[in-house]
Amino acid sequence: GEDVEQSLFLSVREGDSSVINCTYTDSSSTYLYWYKQEPGAGLQLLTYIFSNMDMKQDQRLTVLLNKKDKHLSLRIADTQTGDSAIYFCAVYNTNAGKSTFGDGTTLTVKP
Amino acid sequence: KAGVTQTPRYLIKTRGQQVTLSCSPISGHRSVSWYQQTPGQGLQFLFEYFSETQRNKGNFPGRFSGRQFSNSRSEMNVSTLELGDSALYLCASSLTGTNTEAFFGQGTRLTVV
Repeated sequence: GEDVEQSLFLSVREGDSSVINCTYTDSSSTYLYWYKQEPGAGLQLLTYIFSNMDMKQDQRLTVLLNKKDKHLSLRIADTQTGDSAIYFCAVYNTNAGKSTFGDGTTLTVKP
Repeated sequence: KAGVTQTPRYLIKTRGQQVTLSCSPISGHRSVSWYQQTPGQGLQFLFEYFSETQRNKGNFPGRFSGRQFSNSRSEMNVSTLELGDSALYLCASSLTGTNTEAFFGQGTRLTVV
């Protein structure tokens, strides 16, 4: 089945850019998502990209997709302490009719 | 418009009991998916309901079941609870479930003792 991998931890200083990486295995994935989870909360959809796109920008968020390498990244510009959370990459597989999630990257933003 | 509502937020049950969790999707959304989140296994897909029919199913034992009502609200039931069922159960609502954005509720934290 689909496998989605993320690094577990990332620490940055406030004001710096954060880049969270994700790799996946299924080339038939159609939608790729980034979710944010704060302590005790559900998942908040941040952004998503269609598999036929290379890049999507939404305010401070930039998503890059390299389909050849099956690599997805989320860049957060001017990272703030409020961005500290767990970030999940998810890949939607049309054939399976479901999303597969990575284990999440814990982002810590230091003042 | 109102988001996805899951009730209850917290639940404590004893081994062997059964439990029912509820999810009310965003108005107009017809697809509801359920996920189990645990520290060891991450987010695991349980099943998806669309128009009162189970459309997709993950790899969970038959003790986990669900249903969806005509108003798209969904319930998830777990029978004969085990300690390992302790988890955050999340439901996601989307318009059609296929190639569209999914919005998650806050989750129900189930603790089995």
